[in-house]
Amino acid sequence: KAGVTQTPRYLIKTRGQQVTLSCSPISGHRSVSWYQQTPGQGLQFLFEYFSETQRNKGNFPGRFSGRQFSNSRSEMNVSTLELGDSALYLCASYRDRMNTGELFFGEGSRLTVL
Amino acid sequence: TQLLEQSPQFLSIQEGENLTVYCNSSSVFSSLQWYRQEPGEGPVLLVTVVTGGEVKKLKRLTFQFGDARKDSSLHITAAQTGDTGLYLCAGGFNSASKIIFGSGTRLSIRP
Repeated sequence: KAGVTQTPRYLIKTRGQQVTLSCSPISGHRSVSWYQQTPGQGLQFLFEYFSETQRNKGNFPGRFSGRQFSNSRSEMNVSTLELGDSALYLCASYRDRMNTGELFFGEGSRLTVL
Repeated sequence: TQLLEQSPQFLSIQEGENLTVYCNSSSVFSSLQWYRQEPGEGPVLLVTVVTGGEVKKLKRLTFQFGDARKDSSLHITAAQTGDTGLYLCAGGFNSASKIIFGSGTRLSIRP
């Protein structure tokens, strides 16, 4: 079956701009979570969605937001970009609850903020 | 704060050698996963362990979950260059839909 698809794979933005990243989960998976990965901080949890509802949120400022659509596809948005937002943003999908199942990750969207 | 500490952070060894990496926490996990991530890619799940003391083998990789379900180790026998990558452990909790990732061990196998 097709894996998790993230778009775009690479993007460059400047400070103050906003960005929207997209994630299409594996068919049949209803849960999606987002992570930010940086060399210094590792994988940091952003948020989790199940059936269009945000179930959990990490410790990120309000500039980071997300949503999930009825077809389980998810988007995350970062507004007023800062240099420190440069990172690999990873999306993972799974069937049900995060803590009991396998996470299937996409290849990520690498964001560079100049 | 729940933390997962991985050691060593970096490891560079010769092909054919054996190695062990560790994942430790003060928290008790309902399950623990190991992932491998290659440059430019997302992490790929290697194994899930759920029972204290459990040992799982995946070809040359042996995974062990501590008896108290607070720690885990990954042992690689006769390392190959294809084992190069970032190894991440992740712990799950029954009480919340939540997984915590360790900071990772970056493994480099020299030919």
